[in-house]
Amino acid sequence: NAGVTQTPKFRVLKTGQSMTLLCAQDMNHEYMYWYRQDPGMGLRLIHYSVGEGTTAKGEVPDGYNVSRLKKQNFLLGLESAAPSQTSVYFCASSNLGDFPHEQYFGPGTRLTVT
Amino acid sequence: AQKVTQAQTEISVVEKEDVTLDCVYETRDTTYYLFWYKQPPSGELVFLIRRNSFDEQNEISGRYSWNFQKSTSSFNFTITASQVVDSAVYFCALSEWSSGGSNYKLTFGKGTLLTVNP
Repeated sequence: NAGVTQTPKFRVLKTGQSMTLLCAQDMNHEYMYWYRQDPGMGLRLIHYSVGEGTTAKGEVPDGYNVSRLKKQNFLLGLESAAPSQTSVYFCASSNLGDFPHEQYFGPGTRLTVT
Repeated sequence: AQKVTQAQTEISVVEKEDVTLDCVYETRDTTYYLFWYKQPPSGELVFLIRRNSFDEQNEISGRYSWNFQKSTSSFNFTITASQVVDSAVYFCALSEWSSGGSNYKLTFGKGTLLTVNP
């Protein structure tokens, strides 16, 4: 049981390049989330999904797109990267069961846009 | 709207000192959950504790203790006899149901950087 995994762990992009971050969970969780963490800002929600085939905007969605084609995967895309998107990205998932409020986090992806 | 305030941006203590990290929250809901996470220098988020809004009992786990007071909307975290390995960023978070978004919305404070010096 790997929990929540994220690929890649590190990435450096040039302005204007595109990339996709992959989040996978093996806990059969319904909800999945993408956050970004910037110094002094805590974690802020980018997009989330309440089930396979659904996505919704969070607090800071601009410049990102997401897809949830399979229940276990949640993809975060940057179509045209900007330096302002330099951040650490965390994926999380949660269950509808006993502790729906509790989110399980992946190890993070450190992205630098130059 | 829910909000979490961690007024202490950075705290520095000497090993073996006790330290309390403050967390104040705002919510209109009667049902909600509060969390503390630890983020060591390695970067991962480590879950420490979950407390629901109906359970105001304080909790102790080894050198860690948590004081939940609904009357002051606070959920403070105390480390007794701090150690160098406690050095990390600590986040307080509030989770409540968001009917508009049909999800459990988790709001984080901005974190407190704790440095424990030998």
